[in-house]
Amino acid sequence: AQSVTQLGSHVSVSEGALVLLRCNYSSSVPPYLFWYVQYPNQGLQLLLKYTSAATLVKGINGFEAEFKKSETSFHLTKPSAHMSDAAEYFCAVSDGSSNTGKLIFGQGTTLQVKP
Amino acid sequence: KAGVTQTPRYLIKTRGQQVTLSCSPISGHRSVSWYQQTPGQGLQFLFEYFSETQRNKGNFPGRFSGRQFSNSRSEMNVSTLELGDSALYLCASSLALALTGGDTQYFGPGTRLTVL
Repeated sequence: AQSVTQLGSHVSVSEGALVLLRCNYSSSVPPYLFWYVQYPNQGLQLLLKYTSAATLVKGINGFEAEFKKSETSFHLTKPSAHMSDAAEYFCAVSDGSSNTGKLIFGQGTTLQVKP
Repeated sequence: KAGVTQTPRYLIKTRGQQVTLSCSPISGHRSVSWYQQTPGQGLQFLFEYFSETQRNKGNFPGRFSGRQFSNSRSEMNVSTLELGDSALYLCASSLALALTGGDTQYFGPGTRLTVL
């Protein structure tokens, strides 16, 4: 069965600093991996998606993530944090072996950006 | 193209009542999934509908049900509401063209349900 673990429920960085949000997954088959962002009182917005085409995935708003099979990780990074990046971030895995839209989410990481 | 829309955005109900939430997917999307989001349990998958058929179900009691119409619009129903059903209910749609998983799910803004 697939599962996702996000290390750190709360991350705080200064504006302009590197953002690193950690995600580890467990999957018995090659996974599809996603990062979503949620702003207060809103739904989830897709940041990026890994589909095995390339291990380094670039997303919107300057975010990127690297798939590392040996470490079963899919960490999200951004070189320079902006105040508008403050939000909750979710890593998710999709079952790649069956025809389903089901996503399994991590518990989320709240990113705080200090001026 | 319009995004996923959910109605109503906010609902207040009392214990024992039932509630119906509506979701309109992105035009052309054939799959609709529902998720429950709570501070304690996080985001949990409820069920997925494709071509008016439920093709996947999460671990929720039978009080939670759903359906999909021929135009891909979906509704979910919760009967005999409990205090613990208070949550943000999110709907997501996808094209569902892939033979395997990995379709991108596009989420709506959610319906905030409060049970008193």
